[in-house]
Amino acid sequence: DGGITQSPKYLFRKEGQNVTLSCEQNLNHDAMYWYRQDPGQGLRLIYYSQIVNDFQKGDIAEGYSVSREKKESFPLTVTSAQKNPTAFYLCASSISHKTGANVLTFGAGSRLTVL
Amino acid sequence: QKEVEQNSGPLSVPEGAIASLNCTYSDRVSQSFFWYRQYSGKSPELIMSIYSNGDKEDGRFTAQLNKASQYVSLLIRDSQPSDSATYLCAARTGPGREYGNKLVFGAGTILRVKS
Repeated sequence: DGGITQSPKYLFRKEGQNVTLSCEQNLNHDAMYWYRQDPGQGLRLIYYSQIVNDFQKGDIAEGYSVSREKKESFPLTVTSAQKNPTAFYLCASSISHKTGANVLTFGAGSRLTVL
Repeated sequence: QKEVEQNSGPLSVPEGAIASLNCTYSDRVSQSFFWYRQYSGKSPELIMSIYSNGDKEDGRFTAQLNKASQYVSLLIRDSQPSDSATYLCAARTGPGREYGNKLVFGAGTILRVKS
């Protein structure tokens, strides 16, 4: 089955630690995205990548970093510089960032809690 | 002003009734609109997309778009308890914007269908 796999599903972090969230897709999609969701708020775009070895900042990129070394993979690192990292993180992909429809397929999400 | 606005709810309807969910957007050049359903603790799943003025029907769901009023709605007929979820409205910003095809999400409306 094609889809997006995020891991871990739950993650606990101590303040000052960096953590990396994994996102793998086997849909052969060119574009991948990372969103953050906080209670009562919509999804906010952290980073997106249109193609391998290229990525762009979204609305709330500060304190986060990404890489896109393979088409299938788009890991997100939450650094110690992110002041409020506790949130639900969603990875998504689409066939292309520039298609008119731009339908996103989401992974199951990773819930990060800072202790 | 938020780019995509939704009433947070909760919207409560009895089983079998029509649920009406509304969304307004501020970017006049937005071209595509999407409704996602999100169950508690889960990732969003696409239920409807609409690109042209008017109505689009898919089973019990009808999406309505009025670009002149910058208004999108989702009607759910014969509401079922399994429809209880948060419904996210999303708009794709037009070309020429910083992110090209950026998808902007509203905060979501909580729907509760009572049996």
